Amino acid sequence: GNSVTQMEGPVTLSEEAFLTINCTYTATGYPSLFWYVQYPGEGLQLLLKATKADDKGSNKGFEATYRKETTSFHLEKGSVQVSDSAVYFCALSGGTYKYIFGTGTRLKVLA
Amino acid sequence: DAGVIQSPRHEVTEMGQEVTLRCKPISGHNSLFWYRQTMMRGLELLIYFNNNVPIDDSGMPEDRFSAKMPNASFSTLKIQPSEPRDSAVYFCASSLGGPRNEKLFFGSGTQLSVL
Repeated sequence: GNSVTQMEGPVTLSEEAFLTINCTYTATGYPSLFWYVQYPGEGLQLLLKATKADDKGSNKGFEATYRKETTSFHLEKGSVQVSDSAVYFCALSGGTYKYIFGTGTRLKVLA
Repeated sequence: DAGVIQSPRHEVTEMGQEVTLRCKPISGHNSLFWYRQTMMRGLELLIYFNNNVPIDDSGMPEDRFSAKMPNASFSTLKIQPSEPRDSAVYFCASSLGGPRNEKLFFGSGTQLSVL
């Protein structure tokens, strides 16, 4: 079946550091891939998405590229801010209503 | 648009009591989801409605859980009787649906504590 594996957290970085959160997936067919972000006390919000191989999703300085050859969708940001502290979820959807979410990676950015 | 609205934000109850969680999806969205979030299990899909009809309730843990969607603008998730292991954050989400993975819009969740 479909699955998503993302790196364990927490990830602690200093402000302006480079961020990578790894995400790999297993799926049949051609799933769409997503990153959602959850700020404290809030629900998840879509951060970015990619619907086919080699697509790059980007938003608010975050980027992720859909790599079919490595079945990966790693999240990157060149310079993190304290306000980026949150939990980040990688997810996939295989063309139906069923999203598969990763376990989430907590990011803590220190001033 | 006000987004997906859930109530209450926090609920503290005693074991054995009935708990009702409420959700108002975004107007015009035809898909509604109830998720449960815990540290141990992460995000679990409990039930999915499309056009007010329950399509998949395979994630509902047991008969103590029930969900309804009487109309396009309202859904409830009921736990009766509640147990301490039901303590979690319950999220409602809605989307436009469609065959190609529409974006999910989540509510702020209900933090449930069963003592």
